[in-house]
Amino acid sequence: DQQVKQNSPSLSVQEGRISILNCDYTNSMFDYFLWYKKYPAEGPTFLISISSIKDKNEDGRFTVFLNKSAKHLSLHIVPSQPGDSAVYFCAASARDYGQNFVFGPGTRLSVLP
Amino acid sequence: DADVTQTPRNRITKTGKRIMLECSQTKGHDRMYWYRQDPGLGLRLIYYSFDVKDINKGEISDGYSVSRQAQAKFSLSLESAIPNQTALYFCATSEAPSTDTQYFGPGTRLTVL
Repeated sequence: DQQVKQNSPSLSVQEGRISILNCDYTNSMFDYFLWYKKYPAEGPTFLISISSIKDKNEDGRFTVFLNKSAKHLSLHIVPSQPGDSAVYFCAASARDYGQNFVFGPGTRLSVLP
Repeated sequence: DADVTQTPRNRITKTGKRIMLECSQTKGHDRMYWYRQDPGLGLRLIYYSFDVKDINKGEISDGYSVSRQAQAKFSLSLESAIPNQTALYFCATSEAPSTDTQYFGPGTRLTVL
């Protein structure tokens, strides 16, 4: 049973609009979350993180929101650009317990010009 | 030059063959990881190492072994490859503690016939 879920395998958005990628988790011990972006033929690269003591973290066009009670986080990209087209992975860890990251299956984002 | 390199980038082999995937890093990180990516399953941890004399099993270590020859090198071996080990394999590094950002190599696409 997957502890980290990304229920949308793919998402298409028009350039300039908002992209919202969702991630749900089941393990209440998870306290640290990352988003990675992956282009074809490349390894994943770190995008943004959030600790469970926060409910929002922002970095330029990227904002991650965390709803601990719902065990849900989301990544917002505003405005979306064609270069944002990639696979996005959500990852979670129980940092205080020294556990390794668990990755979701990924969501493929296509930003249409 | 890339900080985390993997060789080979692509490999086709036959069932029962022994194969080694190699990973090298110039980031000076103590911690190294091997993951595999399968469609719909995200990245799953195979083995990880916190320093040269430390080897730990991950979520899916059966059928694999590793060797940490030096701080900069971490090799993954398939002693007797089977078709369901066909996947994309990623090496990653991180600074201590292990829950910090991981830096991934470009991946090795392995096909077992």
